[in-house]
Amino acid sequence: GAVVSQHPSRVICKSGTSVKIECRSLDFQATTMFWYRQFPKQSLMLMATSNEGSKATYEQGVEKDKFLINHASLTLSTLTVTSAHPEDSSFYICSATTQGETQYFGPGTRLLVL
Amino acid sequence: AQSVAQPEDQVNVAEGNPLTVKCTYSVSGNPYLFWYVQYPNRGLQFLLKYITGDNLVKGSYGFEAEFNKSQTSFHLKKPSALVSDSALYFCAVRDGLRGSTLGRLYFGRGTQLTVWP
Repeated sequence: GAVVSQHPSRVICKSGTSVKIECRSLDFQATTMFWYRQFPKQSLMLMATSNEGSKATYEQGVEKDKFLINHASLTLSTLTVTSAHPEDSSFYICSATTQGETQYFGPGTRLLVL
Repeated sequence: AQSVAQPEDQVNVAEGNPLTVKCTYSVSGNPYLFWYVQYPNRGLQFLLKYITGDNLVKGSYGFEAEFNKSQTSFHLKKPSALVSDSALYFCAVRDGLRGSTLGRLYFGRGTQLTVWP
């Protein structure tokens, strides 16, 4: 149980395009989902917290117009990187939790912007 | 404010030997502590957690962790290391369950464990 999937696992895009990453909780309902960014050999940096049916809460320094988060259902949250640039290249990981208990993480999405 | 420290960037151990990955924490209330493991190019896998109860917590893949309130530590241990245990390990402490950041985790910077044959 407690499986979280992400799609796509890897994406390469041209600078200026938008990329959507999906995060799904497969066997439980996630009241809260989190989006993280991880740079090579570093810890996870929390980008935003997403509660189902409400606006995401962004961490300081994260542009909400750049990183659009939608949590439309209890099993799906999406992160859209708008007008992506090379500096947005990174490993993006989502996690999901029910009522604030254990966070279960997706496998991550590797984004490369050319 | 919550914070976690993992004092070692790297831990090296021979296969079959016991391993310890250290973690200390700072919290403003009751500590809710977690260990996760990350393999290359993968997300984090949950190993174990301490919420309340026994100070010795047993988790996945033979790992265990000991909660020590007086030393504010939550070290990860395994009696006999395997080469396949080689990975990046993260300790984390959870935020309170109020407000918009429900259950937010604060991570240590990670410890790379290498187990050689």
